Amino acid sequence: AQRVTQPEKLLSVFKGAPVELKCNYSYSGSPELFWYVQYSRQRLQLLLRHISRESIKGFTADLNKGETSFHLKKPFAQEEDSAMYYCALKNAGGTSYGKLTFGQGTILTVHP
Amino acid sequence: NAGVMQNPRHLVRRRGQEARLRCSPMKGHSHVYWYRQLPEEGLKFMVYLQKENIIDESGMPKERFSAEFPKEGPSILRIQQVVRGDSAAYFCASSPKGTSSYEQYFGPGTRLTVT
Repeated sequence: AQRVTQPEKLLSVFKGAPVELKCNYSYSGSPELFWYVQYSRQRLQLLLRHISRESIKGFTADLNKGETSFHLKKPFAQEEDSAMYYCALKNAGGTSYGKLTFGQGTILTVHP
Repeated sequence: NAGVMQNPRHLVRRRGQEARLRCSPMKGHSHVYWYRQLPEEGLKFMVYLQKENIIDESGMPKERFSAEFPKEGPSILRIQQVVRGDSAAYFCASSPKGTSSYEQYFGPGTRLTVT
C-alpha cells in the first residue's frame, strides 16, 4: 500500500535560515508527488509538484527515487512561510486516478 | 470563480444524529474527492465521485457513511448515527478531470463536532 511519511510534526527556524521539510514515501509504481501548503485561516493549496520541476516562493523539491524521498527546501526562510505543509502522493493508475495520499503534515514556524 | 465551496463550515451534532456535508465544486469541474482529517493526523482519502457515479469509495467506512454527486446540485457526504469518533475536518476537492494531469482544488473544509 502507498504511504507518505513526514517525520517532523513541528519545525522551527529563524528568518533567513535554510529550511528542509522531510518527506518519504512508499509506492509500488511510478510516483507523482506534491507539496501542499495551508496558511493560517486559508484553504489547502498546491505549492509544487515534482513533474513541474519548478521553484515556487523560493521552494524546491527533488524526487529521489533511490531514497524514496521528496524533501522540500528553501535556502532562506521568511516569516510568511510559516504554515502547515503536507507532502502528498498521487495514485495515477486504475480507477483511482487523482486520489491523493497525504503525510501527517509539518507545521513550519519561522521566527523573526 | 468562487472556488470550491463547502457548507456548513462548522457542524455540531449529538451522538446518533445525522450529519450532511455539502461540497460545490469549482465551475466546470465534474470530479469530486472527499478527505477526512482526524485530530493530529493527515488528510485521508474517503471517496472519489464523478457526476452521478461513485468511482472509488475504498476509503469510506463500511457503515453509516455515504456520498453522492447528483447531476444537479452539490456533492453530499452523509454520516448517519454519528459517533464521537466521527469528529474531524472533512475536506472536499474538485478537478476538471480525474487524471493525474489535473490539480485538485480544495474547499475550506467542514469541521464536524459530535457531542
